[in-house]
Amino acid sequence: NAGVTQTPKFQVLKTGQSMTLQCAQDMNHEYMSWYRQDPGMGLRLIHYSVGAGITDQGEVPNGYNVSRSTTEDFPLRLLSAAPSQTSVYFCASSRTTPPYEQYFGPGTRLTVT
Amino acid sequence: EDQVTQSPEALRLQEGESSSLNCSYTVSGLRGLFWYRQDPGKGPEFLFTLYSAGEEKEKERLKATLTKKESFLHITAPKPEDSATYLCAVGNTDKLIFGTGTRLQVFP
Repeated sequence: NAGVTQTPKFQVLKTGQSMTLQCAQDMNHEYMSWYRQDPGMGLRLIHYSVGAGITDQGEVPNGYNVSRSTTEDFPLRLLSAAPSQTSVYFCASSRTTPPYEQYFGPGTRLTVT
Repeated sequence: EDQVTQSPEALRLQEGESSSLNCSYTVSGLRGLFWYRQDPGKGPEFLFTLYSAGEEKEKERLKATLTKKESFLHITAPKPEDSATYLCAVGNTDKLIFGTGTRLQVFP
């Protein structure tokens, strides 16, 4: 099992550009989520999905879109990048809705200039 | 408002010097308390889940305990390889709420 994979590992964008962060898991997990991690702020939930076709907003959803067309994939789209979106992004999955433990990907470090 | 607070923010220990990390929480309907370890440049790695007050879990030099308002991660005789950031999170309905972590450094 590869677990949770994320691509790319690093990305630099200019303000206003759009891009998609990819996330995939091969554990047949129902629940997937996206977090951003900033110094001193901890992990903050952006969006999550309790199953294919179902998504919901987390704590900091503005500027991001998600969709879940398959169980395995959960891409995160930045519509128009802003410097405030400079962060490290983590995708995570769990067997079902928390309280089950989540397994994290290696992260994508995004810089918006 | 659901909240998780970890202390201290940073902790420096000599190898073999035991200590504890604290995670206090306020949540409407606790559905599990989770401990993770995060190494620099990597994603968090799951350590423990605790579900009810009085529960304890152990793994090598780590032991996690839970009360109704807080959890402790006890580190016994730490080694330099235990250096990492330790994250605490609480489960609430359909999401996890994370604390900001304790950065642990263990010196030989």
